[in-house]
Amino acid sequence: QQQVKQSPQSLIVQKGGIPIINCAYENTAFDYFPWYQQFPGKGPALLIAIRPDVSEKKEGRFTISFNKSAKQFSLHIMDSQPGDSATYFCAATPNSGGSNYKLTFGKGTLLTVNP
Amino acid sequence: DVKVTQSSRYLVKRTGEKVFLECVQDMDHENMFWYRQDPGLGLRLIYFSYDVKMKEKGDIPEGYSVSREKKERFSLILESASTNQTSMYLCASRNRGLYGYTFGSGTRLTVV
Repeated sequence: QQQVKQSPQSLIVQKGGIPIINCAYENTAFDYFPWYQQFPGKGPALLIAIRPDVSEKKEGRFTISFNKSAKQFSLHIMDSQPGDSATYFCAATPNSGGSNYKLTFGKGTLLTVNP
Repeated sequence: DVKVTQSSRYLVKRTGEKVFLECVQDMDHENMFWYRQDPGLGLRLIYFSYDVKMKEKGDIPEGYSVSREKKERFSLILESASTNQTSMYLCASRNRGLYGYTFGSGTRLTVV
């Protein structure tokens, strides 16, 4: 059972474009939504994360938009660069009240930014 | 800088072999995780451990076991490797009370 649905599976944009990656979830207990960036041959690295008490979070060129009522969140990359070419994963985890919660990941989006 | 180190980047094993994948973290993290990554399937949780000698099954534990005798080390064991276990294996750790994971660089296992 996939609890976090991510789209698109792949995305190609030109340098300077604004790629948008979308994720949807079903579990209303989720309360932390990170995005991970993975370059070839490397493990995923935390890029940016959001809690549901805010609708948007921005860090540099990366922005998360969050819609709690629709149970959706998305990643926007402003002024994209070829160096942003990577696989991006959204994820979610519930606040179980303890510390043993785990992340559930989307299936990933392969982003290619052409020069 | 925090580190999660996976002992091998590439492994080739034969069907039926017992395979050990090792992961060590130097951050004194309590929680450790093993994922496998396959094209189109994303990251799927195999097992996780929230403390020494503690373990819980993830979403796809069949054919795998784990061992955590010391806080810094979390081992994934393939009791009898099969070709459908050919994959990228990723280890991660997380400190209690914090959300973010730190991942290792992965072990690409090929079972022939």
